Amino acid sequence: NAGVTQTPKFRILKIGQSMTLQCTQDMNHNYMYWYRQDPGMGLKLIYYSVGAGITDKGEVPNGYNVSRSTTEDFPLRLELAAPSQTSVYFCASSTRTYNEQFFGPGTRLTVL
Amino acid sequence: AQRVTQPEKLLSVFKGAPVELKCNYSYSGSPELFWYVQYSRQRLQLLLRHISRESIKGFTADLNKGETSFHLKKPFAQEEDSAMYYCALIYGSSNTGKLIFGQGTTLQVKP
Repeated sequence: NAGVTQTPKFRILKIGQSMTLQCTQDMNHNYMYWYRQDPGMGLKLIYYSVGAGITDKGEVPNGYNVSRSTTEDFPLRLELAAPSQTSVYFCASSTRTYNEQFFGPGTRLTVL
Repeated sequence: AQRVTQPEKLLSVFKGAPVELKCNYSYSGSPELFWYVQYSRQRLQLLLRHISRESIKGFTADLNKGETSFHLKKPFAQEEDSAMYYCALIYGSSNTGKLIFGQGTTLQVKP
């Protein structure tokens, strides 16, 4: 099993550009999550999904969108990149909300 | 509002010394707490959770509801314990529970 995979690993965007961060898991987990981690801070939940077709906002959803058309994939969309979105983004999945979350390797995004 | 606080950004100890990484939480419900760890160039992974009441890699953590703490302890630190440690609290219902993380503590074990 590859577990949770994320692409790209690194990306530099210009202000106002858009991009999609990809996340895929092969563990058949229903629950998937997107976090961002700013320097010196803990991870903050952006969006999460409890199954295909169902998504909901986390702590810091502004400026992001998600979709969940399949169990495996949970892409995160940035529509109009801003410097405040410079961060490391982690995707995670779990079998249930109160169970262990499995994390991807992260995507380091810089917006200039 | 729920909150997790790790007061130390960096904890530096010598090999063989005891380690205690502090974690305090604020939550009005019944807390479910975790410790996650990220070793250098590895993914964030679960170290232990309080309901398991188990010792992983020599680490233990006891939930103290009176002091709202969930400190992580190890009696004798090893160099391979050097990593970033995050305390996390899950809140919400069983269907929509969400994790909130502390800021993290870097543990540095010196030879």
